[in-house]
Amino acid sequence: SQTIHQWPATLVQPVGSPLSLECTVEGTSNPNLYWYRQAAGRGLQLLFYSVGIGQISSEVPQNLSASRPQDRQFILSSKKLLLSDSGFYLCAWSRAGETGELFFGEGSRLTVL
Amino acid sequence: AQSVTQPDIHITVSEGASLELRCNYSYGATPYLFWYVQSPGQGLQLLLKYFSGDTLVQGIKGFEAEFKRSQSSFNLRKPSVHWSDAAEYFCAVGAWGGSYIPTFGRGTSLIVHP
Repeated sequence: SQTIHQWPATLVQPVGSPLSLECTVEGTSNPNLYWYRQAAGRGLQLLFYSVGIGQISSEVPQNLSASRPQDRQFILSSKKLLLSDSGFYLCAWSRAGETGELFFGEGSRLTVL
Repeated sequence: AQSVTQPDIHITVSEGASLELRCNYSYGATPYLFWYVQSPGQGLQLLLKYFSGDTLVQGIKGFEAEFKRSQSSFNLRKPSVHWSDAAEYFCAVGAWGGSYIPTFGRGTSLIVHP
């Protein structure tokens, strides 16, 4: 069966510090991978998605970046965090070429102080 | 571009009462539609999905949803709500963009009174 792991679960960082959130999927190959951000009361905002290694599409211009160094690994990064980067970050995967049904990780709560 | 509207930010029901959460979508072709549930501090879990065929789809935890093309709606229903159903509910539409990219509504928070 397929599983998705996302870490760290909770992170408190000062403004201006770097960020790295990591997500890995097991039990499948060539998945589509997604990073969403969920701010309080504002639903899910798609940040990045990837259909293959090194292929990253950005949906929202900001100081965040994403990388996919391996087929089942997806990393969300920032060089300098802003207060507005606080939120709940969700990694998800879907089967390539299929209909968009997503399987989510447990999320990472980021607080920028 | 596709969009999803969940007009109700909060819904409050009594335990045992029936439930209907509204979802309207905008998409030029036949949509792929989903309902997800999120418990506090957790990721999202798929409740049900519609791709084609029977417009009334059954999901997990006793939920069902009906696709109405004429109304561009995909409302979620449950005949009798349990306290454990209190959560955030998200409707989503999958649209083709090189791969299927789901667009989510803003969510509806369900509060269940005993």
